[in-house]
Amino acid sequence: DTAVSQTPKYLVTQMGNDKSIKCEQNLGHDTMYWYKQDSKKFLKIMFSYNNKELIINETVPNRFSPKSPDKAHLNLHINSLELGDSAVYFCASSPIGRGRGETQYFGPGTRLLVL
Amino acid sequence: GESVGLHLPTLSVQEGDNSIINCAYSNSASDYFIWYKQESGKGPQFIIDIRSNMDKRQGQRVTVLLNKTVKHLSLQIAATQPGDSAVYFCAENILGSNYKLTFGKGTLLTVNP
Repeated sequence: DTAVSQTPKYLVTQMGNDKSIKCEQNLGHDTMYWYKQDSKKFLKIMFSYNNKELIINETVPNRFSPKSPDKAHLNLHINSLELGDSAVYFCASSPIGRGRGETQYFGPGTRLLVL
Repeated sequence: GESVGLHLPTLSVQEGDNSIINCAYSNSASDYFIWYKQESGKGPQFIIDIRSNMDKRQGQRVTVLLNKTVKHLSLQIAATQPGDSAVYFCAENILGSNYKLTFGKGTLLTVNP
């Protein structure tokens, strides 16, 4: 199936731990994103990468570090997890750079719960 | 229900009725708009988009209207079905923002059978 996939789907962890979320897209897109959705369903962009280069870096604590090993993957590593990091994290991709517009396609989300 | 504690705008319609979901945006430099549908436990799903040089675009059972004068966007769903129940988001791209999408608050649509 062509899609944006994320692992894990659920992540429950203790405060202070370090965790990673992985994202892969096989749509051939050049740009990938990470979003955070809070308990009120508000969706906010965190980062975007175009061809492994960081393009957007919103005001996010530096405990969050994205890593893009290649243009089909964008992983999110979070250090020293805090209670407020509990949210749903979505990965997305778009075909920017090929003149096909800005439409973003989202993964299924990773539900992070910090205890 | 799903809306408890969320404080989202909500719209409740009967199956078969038409639905209209509204969105206001604030930036005159916004040049591209998208409507997304998010079902419970899933990621946002693209429904329809429109560029700022248009004022109307139609898809299958959905129509998006753009009024740049009052910075207003609407999504019309014809003959609403129970499967349309979801949270709907509008998103805007501001020209020069590195293709960043800014999402609206979301509207919870409930379709009653």
